[in-house]
Amino acid sequence: QKEVEQNSGPLSVPEGAIASLNCTYSDRGSQSFFWYRQYSGKSPELIMFIYSNGDKEDGRFTAQLNKASQYVSLLIRDSQPSDSATYLCAVNEYSSASKIIFGSGTRLSIRP
Amino acid sequence: SQTIHQWPATLVQPVGSPLSLECTVEGTSNPNLYWYRQAAGRGLQLLFYSVGIGQISSEVPQNLSASRPQDRQFILSSKKLLLSDSGFYLCAWERLQGIPAVYEQYFGPGTRLTVT
Repeated sequence: QKEVEQNSGPLSVPEGAIASLNCTYSDRGSQSFFWYRQYSGKSPELIMFIYSNGDKEDGRFTAQLNKASQYVSLLIRDSQPSDSATYLCAVNEYSSASKIIFGSGTRLSIRP
Repeated sequence: SQTIHQWPATLVQPVGSPLSLECTVEGTSNPNLYWYRQAAGRGLQLLFYSVGIGQISSEVPQNLSASRPQDRQFILSSKKLLLSDSGFYLCAWERLQGIPAVYEQYFGPGTRLTVT
């Protein structure tokens, strides 16, 4: 059973600080990794993806991947109240069609 | 640009009633399409995916079925709903882009189903 594990939270971070969200996955053959943001009652929206070891930056967001440790993280710099949401980590398992496996999400709360 | 639609947005149905949820995609052709269910406070469970018209793969045995009658239309159905079918149903389409190629999935707005 391939799994993606996340701490459910809530993770509370003061406004302006760095929020750090973590995820581990079980399938060493996984090739691409995604972070989605989901506001309460809404559908998930793709924030960014990463496929190479190291860091990938996009604005205030940085994704980090360590395939040897099977670990993915998302850093949010200068956290804003609008960043308060559930963040889903997802891992791609290739087959005839790609099938992304999702973690259950970490709830992030940015306190003013 | 691509747009994905789902309807209805919300639905309340009694146990034993039928179900039909529709998903359509605009601005792309021959997309891979997916149905997920998200129970309250839980992660996303893949239900079905389709790589083309009439091609459906089922991930979880259950009383739901899916069909793809047209290239950009994906339908989720049930003949008799169970209480456990309640949840947030999400349709997603998939784009392949970049070098190396990465599959990205984008979600529709979802249908919130309550079975009473």
